[in-house]
Amino acid sequence: AQSVTQLGSHVSVSEGALVLLRCNYSSSVPPYLFWYVQYPNQGLQLLLKYTTGATLVKGINGFEAEFKKSETSFHLTKPSAHMSDAAEYFCAVTAGGSQGNLIFGKGTKLSVKP
Amino acid sequence: KAGVTQTPRYLIKTRGQQVTLSCSPISGHRSVSWYQQTPGQGLQFLFEYFSETQRNKGNFPGRFSGRQFSNSRSEMNVSTLELGDSALYLCASSLFAHQETQYFGPGTRLLVL
Repeated sequence: AQSVTQLGSHVSVSEGALVLLRCNYSSSVPPYLFWYVQYPNQGLQLLLKYTTGATLVKGINGFEAEFKKSETSFHLTKPSAHMSDAAEYFCAVTAGGSQGNLIFGKGTKLSVKP
Repeated sequence: KAGVTQTPRYLIKTRGQQVTLSCSPISGHRSVSWYQQTPGQGLQFLFEYFSETQRNKGNFPGRFSGRQFSNSRSEMNVSTLELGDSALYLCASSLFAHQETQYFGPGTRLLVL
C-alpha cells in the first residue's frame, strides 16, 4: 500500500533562508507525487506535482521538488523563505492503480522568523 | 474560472444529529472527492464520485455517505453524529475519475457538541 512520511512536523527558518521540507513515499506502482499548501482556515492549494518526465519539478511561489526514485523521496525546497510562506505543507501520493484518491503525509508546519 | 465551492463553511451540530455538506466542483470537472481532516488523523479519503457513481471509498463507517448529481455537484451526509466527527471536510474536484490533479475547496468546518 502507498504511504507518505513527512519528516518534521514543525520546521522553522529565518526569512531569506533555504526552505527544505522532507517527504518520503512508499509505492508499489510508479507514483504520482504532490505538494499542497494550506494556509490557516483555508483549503489545500496545489504547489506542484510530479507525474512523469523531468524529475525536477517547479511549482508556484518559487518552490520546487525533486523526485528521487532511488531514495523514494520528493523533498520540497525554496531558496529564500518569505514571511508569506508560513503555512502547513502536505506531501501526497496517489493510491495507484484504478484508485485516484490521494494519500497524504501528516503535514509540516513551516514558521518563518523575521 | 470559479474554484471549488463548499457550503456551509461552518456548522455546529449536536451528537446524534445528521448533517449534509455540499460541494460544487470547478466548471467542467466531473469527479468529486471528499476528505476529512482532523488534528489526530490528518487528511483521510472518504469517497470519490464520478458521473453520479461512487468509484472509490475510504475506510469510514456507513454513517458517512455521499451522492453526486447530474450537474456534478456532490453532497456528503453524516448520520448519527459523534464527537469524533468534528473535523474540516474538504472537497476536491478533477476532470475525470482517477485523475491525478485534484483541486480543493475551502472546506466545511463541522463541530459536534
